[in-house]
Amino acid sequence: EVQLVESGGGLVQPGGSLRLSCAASGFTFSTYEMNWVRQAPGKGLEWVSYISRSGTTIYYADSVKGRFTISRDNTKNSLYLQMSSLRAEDTAVYYCARENLTFGGALDYWGQGTLVTVSS
Amino acid sequence: EIVMTQSPATLSVSPGERATLSCRASQSVSSNLAWYQQKPGQAPRLLIYGASTRATGIPARFSGSGSGTEFTLTISSLQSEDFAVYYCQHYNNWPPYTFGQGTKLEIK
Repeated sequence: EVQLVESGGGLVQPGGSLRLSCAASGFTFSTYEMNWVRQAPGKGLEWVSYISRSGTTIYYADSVKGRFTISRDNTKNSLYLQMSSLRAEDTAVYYCARENLTFGGALDYWGQGTLVTVSS
Repeated sequence: EIVMTQSPATLSVSPGERATLSCRASQSVSSNLAWYQQKPGQAPRLLIYGASTRATGIPARFSGSGSGTEFTLTISSLQSEDFAVYYCQHYNNWPPYTFGQGTKLEIK
């Protein structure tokens, strides 16, 4: 069974940093591209970042570029999102999601999400 | 950046009836479009990819159509568990991926 489990969320002050993790199981992690998607309270979905299977290709949404860093460790079946210079508008549930190229690139599995709250 | 616009924002339908949700792209995304369902407190679930192909385990009452800039998600006979928020998302010529703002399907 495919499972994605996020962790690392919490309350952080504006300007602070936080590192999110996503533990993957039930599939060969190294053969899938991965993404982070976030959802502010009561709002819609916003794509945040993408990383290729090997980690050599990375993309960010303009809203987080220069502040967030995506990475992965295929030996640990884990995806990460290092967030710095956090702002109130970064408050959201952060989901990791698997991209399935067999489906053309749709996001076929999502974790349950981890809540990040940026507030003083 | 491709902008995805969903309509209506809220759709009220009775159980057993048909629901039709729309998604429009600001430029062509070919058939590189997915639909997701999200229930309160849950992660999104993939329903449709490639504009019209149902994901694994998705009931046949869900169908997708369209290409280019106009897309439709149809739920043929609404069940109680179908009342949720639905999002469309393109994955054509990304980044960035963009999602529509969502359509809330509520019980009439």
